Amino acid sequence: AQSVTQLGSHVSVSEGALVLLRCNYSSSVPPYLFWYVQYPNQGLQLLLKYTSAATLVKGINGFEAEFKKSETSFHLTKPSAHMSDAAEYFCAVSPYNNNDMRFGAGTRLTVKP
Amino acid sequence: NAGVTQTPKFQVLKTGQSMTLQCAQDMNHNSMYWYRQDPGMGLRLIYYSASEGTTDKGEVPNGYNVSRLNKREFSLRLESAAPSQTSVYFCASSSRDRNTEAFFGQGTRLTVV
Repeated sequence: AQSVTQLGSHVSVSEGALVLLRCNYSSSVPPYLFWYVQYPNQGLQLLLKYTSAATLVKGINGFEAEFKKSETSFHLTKPSAHMSDAAEYFCAVSPYNNNDMRFGAGTRLTVKP
Repeated sequence: NAGVTQTPKFQVLKTGQSMTLQCAQDMNHNSMYWYRQDPGMGLRLIYYSASEGTTDKGEVPNGYNVSRLNKREFSLRLESAAPSQTSVYFCASSSRDRNTEAFFGQGTRLTVV
């Protein structure tokens, strides 16, 4: 079975600082990996996805993530945080051969002015 | 373009009552999912349906039943609600192509007293 672990339930950065949200996965088969964002009282929106085409994936709102098989990681980064980035972020993994998508516990990002 | 629509948005139940959460998608997706979101635990998969007529258990299926009524609709039923089922429930859908992400509804906030 596959799973993801997000390191740090809360991350706080200053506006303009680097954002780094960590995600490690476990999967017995080649995985598909996703990052989602959730704003208060809303559903989840896709930020980006890895589907084996390229290890560095660019998403919306200036976010990107790099798939590192040797480290079983898929960390999310953004060079410069904006106040509007404050939200909860979820990493998810899905095996290539079925629909059983599993989510991490989430990381709440706070951006300080 | 409605995407994934969940009803109701809010519900309060007494312990032992039953109810059905409704979900419909208009994207012609084959796969549909029900998740529950609890603080600090991320999203946990309750049930999923890879195609019309099939359903499979996820991580936390106990206390729930599902019905894939047709390709558009996937309902979640609580036969005898318990306080432990107080949560936010999300329905999602995705296409058969494993490269695509899941699209989420806005959620149903359920309180069992």
